[in-house]
Amino acid sequence: GAVVSQHPSRVICKSGTSVKIECRSLDFQATTMFWYRQFPKKSLMLMATSNEGSKATYEQGVEKDKFLINHASLTLSTLTVTSAHPEDSSFYICSARRRGAPNYGYTFGSGTRLTVV
Amino acid sequence: KQEVTQIPAALSVPEGENLVLNCSFTDSAIYNLQWFRQDPGKGLTSLLLIQSSQREQTSGRLNASLDKSSGRSTLYIAASQPGDSATYLCAVSEGGSEKLVFGKGTKLTVNP
Repeated sequence: GAVVSQHPSRVICKSGTSVKIECRSLDFQATTMFWYRQFPKKSLMLMATSNEGSKATYEQGVEKDKFLINHASLTLSTLTVTSAHPEDSSFYICSARRRGAPNYGYTFGSGTRLTVV
Repeated sequence: KQEVTQIPAALSVPEGENLVLNCSFTDSAIYNLQWFRQDPGKGLTSLLLIQSSQREQTSGRLNASLDKSSGRSTLYIAASQPGDSATYLCAVSEGGSEKLVFGKGTKLTVNP
């Protein structure tokens, strides 16, 4: 099956610091990975589409300088929350789909609970 | 703009009952539809994937149907168990885009 590993699962950081979240596809290659943010009782909000070897595509309203995305290989994408503030506290989830397999569904990571104090 | 709606927002049933969760979407030009399960504080687990050309998919006690023309999908859970308690999310993948558009989910509680 397709497995996506997300790390860390939980992180607490001080306001003003940066936090990096990793998303890895363990048993398949993914040219595209997606980063979502989830608010309580709300839909998952797509933040950006991470493309291997090129710049990420950000959704409207998402600050690209705030949420840095790097997709350095076909199996790894990272999201860095820079100069984090309490309002950045949220649940972040990544997803990926098997390369060259549009008929496959998306596989999601286990999520990262970020708390900024 | 695609919008996905899930009804009801919450559902509580006794163990053993059969139940139906509903999902509707505004733009029928979808590539596929996927049902997920999310446990509290966890990521999403894919349950069923229905391609736009398909009418239904089954996995164990779960059956998902798709009526693309009317913009509707249902997730049927047979003989519900307390372990089925979770939030169920419906998402559509739009044609020409890899983006998934999610509903807000239905929080299911199955009481022993």
